[in-house]
Amino acid sequence: DAKTTQPPSMDCAEGRAANLPCNHSTISGNEYVYWYRQIHSQGPQYIIHGLKNNETNEMASLIITEDRKSSTLILPHATLRDTAVYYCIVRLITTSGTYKYIFGTGTRLKVLA
Amino acid sequence: GAGVSQSPSNKVTEKGKDVELRCDPISGHTALYWYRQSLGQGLEFLIYFQGNSAPDKSGLPSDRFSAERTGGSVSTLTIQRTQQEDSAVYLCASRPRTDRKSYNEQFFGPGTRLTVL
Repeated sequence: DAKTTQPPSMDCAEGRAANLPCNHSTISGNEYVYWYRQIHSQGPQYIIHGLKNNETNEMASLIITEDRKSSTLILPHATLRDTAVYYCIVRLITTSGTYKYIFGTGTRLKVLA
Repeated sequence: GAGVSQSPSNKVTEKGKDVELRCDPISGHTALYWYRQSLGQGLEFLIYFQGNSAPDKSGLPSDRFSAERTGGSVSTLTIQRTQQEDSAVYLCASRPRTDRKSYNEQFFGPGTRLTVL
């Protein structure tokens, strides 16, 4: 299965952009990149996903390199409430045609006042 | 509407006992996932249901683990003869099957924290 690699932790000043990198060098052509975050003691929360084009929504932007081997999640103006563990995930399709989500160990982002 | 709910929220058991963890997905969601999150670790995929069938059981760590889903709704994860290494937070997620953008999103429950003494 495809794997993701993320730095274990990052700090970001409040109000600044948080750029969270992810390597997924073994990703296949039809496998999507997803980002979720998990605030302490809660279930993970969906942020954004993409295949090969850059994506933006109200929460974040996702930049995927042309070779698709890495991506960056951008929180444009980080707030204290963005402190969480951010997971970069590969969604693959199994031989039975179902979706399977491979979570990495995540990046613990701490937004500093 | 209500989100994904799981029960119990916390479970403490003795080694060797059996436990059942319950997941109530969002109404109408056809896909249901179970994950395990050990202390300080990422999420580990366990099993996936589409309706009542489980086409992908590849993540179940041993034959002590089993899961079922009835009526396309509630799912139960059963761990027999629990071991200390089974201690973790067990998360359930459901996903709708529609053509809307939310089709791609999993909605997670709050998890069940299992402690095996």
